[in-house]
Amino acid sequence: ETAVFQTPNYHVTQVGNEVSFNCKQTLGHDTMYWYKQDSKKLLKIMFSYNNKQLIVNETVPRRFSPQSSDKAHLNLRIKSVEPEDSAVYLCASSAGTGGRQNTLYFGAGTRLSVL
Amino acid sequence: GQQVQQSPSSLVLQEGENAELQCNFSSTATQLQWFYQSPGGSLVSLLSNPSGTKHTGRLTSTTVTKERRSSLHISSSQTTDSGTYLCAIPDNNAGAKLTFGGGTRLTVRP
Repeated sequence: ETAVFQTPNYHVTQVGNEVSFNCKQTLGHDTMYWYKQDSKKLLKIMFSYNNKQLIVNETVPRRFSPQSSDKAHLNLRIKSVEPEDSAVYLCASSAGTGGRQNTLYFGAGTRLSVL
Repeated sequence: GQQVQQSPSSLVLQEGENAELQCNFSSTATQLQWFYQSPGGSLVSLLSNPSGTKHTGRLTSTTVTKERRSSLHISSSQTTDSGTYLCAIPDNNAGAKLTFGGGTRLTVRP
């Protein structure tokens, strides 16, 4: 049963456009994440929020910005997309940030294609 | 930071055979999670096993913490087991940051 919901499933856009991806979790978790999965299937964390506070911010281009209105929502905005942004963006949540609470639950992902 | 290596990178089996997947990591881990990613891309948690042996269904994971390795054994493989298996471990300095291995792509033929 999916409890982390992402929209849209797919998005095709052109270089320079702005895109926004939404993520909502209904698990009551405190922590949410955005991961990027490239064409080689490598998963890398981009951001993590705990109770609306940014706690992990990997070195990603400034055109990426996370937005959290409450602990159940974490959106991702990309200003002026580049071809290398084509990837699958996976949202996840966990009850906490350490130990057993770190079990992650993922959404189905948003596949972005930049033409 | 944490580095995670998985082997083999790909594995092809006949239905009914067993699979043994390996995960090695560079630093002590307080948590270790195995994931399955279907060919369609959806990622699901299989089990969490920071140490010892855990079973769920046809899956058995054994983690030897001091040797910084974990294995995932799939018994009596089925075609529906095909997909990518990922191992993930939190960064020691930032538990919220999970580092993923490159995955093992499993193909089970009928």
